[in-house]
Amino acid sequence: ETGVTQTPRHLVMGMTNKKSLKCEQHLGHNAMYWYKQSAKKPLELMFVYNFKEQTENNSVPSRFSPECPNSSHLFLHLHTLQPEDSALYLCASSQDRIGYPDTQYFGPGTRLTVL
Amino acid sequence: AQSVTQLDSHVSVSEGTPVLLRCNYSSSYSPSLFWYVQHPNKGLQLLLKYTSAATLVKGINGFEAEFKKSETSFHLTKPSAHMSDAAEYFCVVSDLYGGSQGNLIFGKGTKLSVKP
Repeated sequence: ETGVTQTPRHLVMGMTNKKSLKCEQHLGHNAMYWYKQSAKKPLELMFVYNFKEQTENNSVPSRFSPECPNSSHLFLHLHTLQPEDSALYLCASSQDRIGYPDTQYFGPGTRLTVL
Repeated sequence: AQSVTQLDSHVSVSEGTPVLLRCNYSSSYSPSLFWYVQHPNKGLQLLLKYTSAATLVKGINGFEAEFKKSETSFHLTKPSAHMSDAAEYFCVVSDLYGGSQGNLIFGKGTKLSVKP
C-alpha cells in the first residue's frame, strides 16, 4: 500500500455517460496528479494540483474535468468520452518543495473502458 | 527539454541470472532520475532515485542503478533475478530547473520476463 487509494478500480461506461474517478491520499502531501496510461505509450501527465490549485493542464480535452476540493482528494469527472479514452488512469501525490522534485506515490489506478 | 529513452521494450532473463535494463536521458540541467516498477494490474512503485548525491544508488529488492553523466545513462541492474521481478520498469527524469518543476517524464517502459 502506497497511501494513495483510487476508486473505482474498474469502470465501463458508454460514450454518453457521466462518471467520476476518485483519488485520496493519506500521506499529507500537497501535490496531486492525474496520469493516463495507454497501451504501448509512455505515461502521460494530464493534470497537476499544488496546494489545491491547478498548475498544469497538458492540453487535455475538456471532456476530462479535474476537481481538487482539498489537498487529500482529487477527482476526475468524465463526460461524453470516446473509445480511445479507454486506458488506466493513475493518480499520484508528492510533497512538492521548491528545487527538489520529490518522489511521487501512485495509486493502483482505475481501468476505464469506453464502449 | 528533458527526455528519457529506454533502449529495450522487452528483456527476458532466466531466474538467478543478472538483470540489466538500459536507460538514457537528456536534460538541460541537473536531472533527478528515478526507476519505477509496475506489476500487472498495480500502480507504480518507486524502486530508487538519484538526486545529485552518490552516483551509485541502491533501491529496494536488490536493485541498483548508476548515474553516468558522461554517458547520460542511468541503467538499472540486479545481480540475480527472481520470478517476482517480472514486471514493467519505467525510467523517469525530472528537471530541477525546468518549467514544470517536479513533473516527471516517463520512458516507454521495459517489460522484464523471468524464466524458471
